[in-house]
Amino acid sequence: QVQLQESGPGLVKPSQTLSLTCTVSGGSIIGGDYYWSWIRQYPGKGLEWIGCIGRSGYTYYNPSLRSRIRVSEDTSKNQFSLRLTSVTAADTAIYYCARGRAVAGSMSFDPWGHGTLVTVSS
Amino acid sequence: QSVLAQPPSVSAAAGQKVTISCSGSTSNIGNNLVSWYQQLPGTAPKLLIYENNKRPSGIPDRFSGSKSGTSATLTITGLQTGDEADYYCGTWENSLSVDVFGGGTKLTVL
Repeated sequence: QVQLQESGPGLVKPSQTLSLTCTVSGGSIIGGDYYWSWIRQYPGKGLEWIGCIGRSGYTYYNPSLRSRIRVSEDTSKNQFSLRLTSVTAADTAIYYCARGRAVAGSMSFDPWGHGTLVTVSS
Repeated sequence: QSVLAQPPSVSAAAGQKVTISCSGSTSNIGNNLVSWYQQLPGTAPKLLIYENNKRPSGIPDRFSGSKSGTSATLTITGLQTGDEADYYCGTWENSLSVDVFGGGTKLTVL
């Protein structure tokens, strides 16, 4: 079955760029009607959808983060990535990648990666 | 503060039934499909219910979902200690053009 695994640095300095990669195994990120997504969970446990990349590389972003984020894909490696610029302590969270499936405009996410904790601190 | 309101905690005895509510508005639950996720301690969220009331393969029929108007409900019957987890609802928010989640409900099995 499809599995996802996040990778990237666990510590990022304020004002720098957070970069994470999600490696997908057991299935291809191209050819299906899925939205390869990033979701984060704050220490207080709230979940926030960050954005995703879908068919033909079209991206969808959370408007509150749009000016700072970029989601891209590397089909040769079956990976997709997140870049979040100008980070602050408020970006400290567990970052998950997940496969999204949209029906009538609503997305459900399955499966999820294990998650990676990113701390923003000097 | 989430646009989807969930009770912070619920509890029930093993073997009993519990319901978890998710309250929204016409701009989210009222006009979109709802998903539910289970997050066991120290793990990633896992899809329990999608499209209001459908279960992914492998999810026991003890878990069921429903929607009425601007609210959704997750029902768990035959509670087991292994069901102790945080539960989240999720849907699309039309006014923000973003997928949103509830604040989560911690289930304790007594």
